[in-house]
Amino acid sequence: DTEVTQTPKHLVMGMTNKKSLKCEQHMGHRAMYWYKQKAKKPPELMFVYSYEKLSINESVPSRFSPECPNSSLLNLHLHALQPEDSALYLCASNLVGYTGELFFGEGSRLTVL
Amino acid sequence: AQTVTQSQPEMSVQEAETVTLSCTYDTSESDYYLFWYKQPPSRQMILVIRQEAYKQQNATENRFSVNFQKAAKSFSLKISDSQLGDAAMYFCAYRRGSSNTGKLIFGQGTTLQVKP
Repeated sequence: DTEVTQTPKHLVMGMTNKKSLKCEQHMGHRAMYWYKQKAKKPPELMFVYSYEKLSINESVPSRFSPECPNSSLLNLHLHALQPEDSALYLCASNLVGYTGELFFGEGSRLTVL
Repeated sequence: AQTVTQSQPEMSVQEAETVTLSCTYDTSESDYYLFWYKQPPSRQMILVIRQEAYKQQNATENRFSVNFQKAAKSFSLKISDSQLGDAAMYFCAYRRGSSNTGKLIFGQGTTLQVKP
């Protein structure tokens, strides 16, 4: 299994809603990432988890709350988002200590109304 | 700080022809990795090719090859025998070699159109 699976693929939410994005991988990777990508732009790193511990937070607003409940799962909890947060959210993973490529999921397209 | 520059926002190529996408980077480190990722409209980022900085030989994957010029800090991607399925946005990316969970630094991307 060489997949990173993200759900949902599409999400529309209001600014007062609370929702979550989910990411799952079964490749034994212990590093997992959240990226935000605007249209026609490169992905921007948000968070990195290493061995289920948050190792990098790129000064992301607190309305985005990551969670890594176990080595296969990564969640991104969303609350009180703004319309400018509408974007494609990509999850990625790789082996800790492996300086090769990241494996990406297909992304969750988020629209904030 | 490391930077990656892709100077061609858009490129087009005729099917079956060859196209080269440019990428330059800036770093003071000697240990690093370079990647080309492809992102079709389906959204998923797919690794096309990777190059370790310590390797002098240019990486090749089927129709995809790179021209890695370390001194010039240049890392171009050549796509031979272009196919309609190659149409996508291509990102050049850099990663520090010493970083276990280091970030990928992406260029701004090049949108490749393949004409039938």
